[in-house]
Amino acid sequence: DTGVSQDPRHKITKRGQNVTFRCDPISEHNRLYWYRQTLGQGPEFLTYFQNEAQLEKSRLLSDRFSAERPKGSFSTLEIQRTEQGDSAMYLCASSPPASGGRTDTQYFGPGTRLTVL
Amino acid sequence: GENVEQHPSTLSVQEGDSAVIKCTYSDSASNYFPWYKQELGKGPQLIIDIRSNVGEKKDQRIAVTLNKTAKHFSLHITETQPEDSAVYFCAATFYNQGGKLIFGQGTELSVKP
Repeated sequence: DTGVSQDPRHKITKRGQNVTFRCDPISEHNRLYWYRQTLGQGPEFLTYFQNEAQLEKSRLLSDRFSAERPKGSFSTLEIQRTEQGDSAMYLCASSPPASGGRTDTQYFGPGTRLTVL
Repeated sequence: GENVEQHPSTLSVQEGDSAVIKCTYSDSASNYFPWYKQELGKGPQLIIDIRSNVGEKKDQRIAVTLNKTAKHFSLHITETQPEDSAVYFCAATFYNQGGKLIFGQGTELSVKP
């Protein structure tokens, strides 16, 4: 069990540029979640997938944000036309299927810290 | 809407003392309550969790209690050690609605040697 991995760990970009982050969940975890965390705050839910289906999106996820999980394994989160307010830590988490037992436990990755200049 | 309130925002204790962090939640349908520890520059790490059919759970120096009637739950750390220093987050979710976690604002715990 290698844990949830995220890439890159840090990203600095200029306002208006597009960025893409990747999340690799724990093997065989069918649910994958994206959260955003700003300094001094708890993580806020953005969206989640069950297998390849995106089942819920937060109103925080503006039309500049898009997430995919094309084969039900890794996921990408893209932010278009970045703004300074997008600067945050983007966290990914995964949870196992019902056959894996603890279906409600979410395991988090190390996060991708985005800085928009 | 769904909301989780967490107190205190900062907590400083002497090594060996106990620490207590409290949370309240708004959605009475919530049925799963995890606690995470987050160290600087790292992602949240699950340390203990409790489900709504249980009132208390203990794992070595860490315990969590749940009062469904009052809609609050607490984290208790006994015999604190300097390595317990971190930010702690409570969260709540109603699993049948997808399991998205609603987090509290966090408590920065400092254990002084």
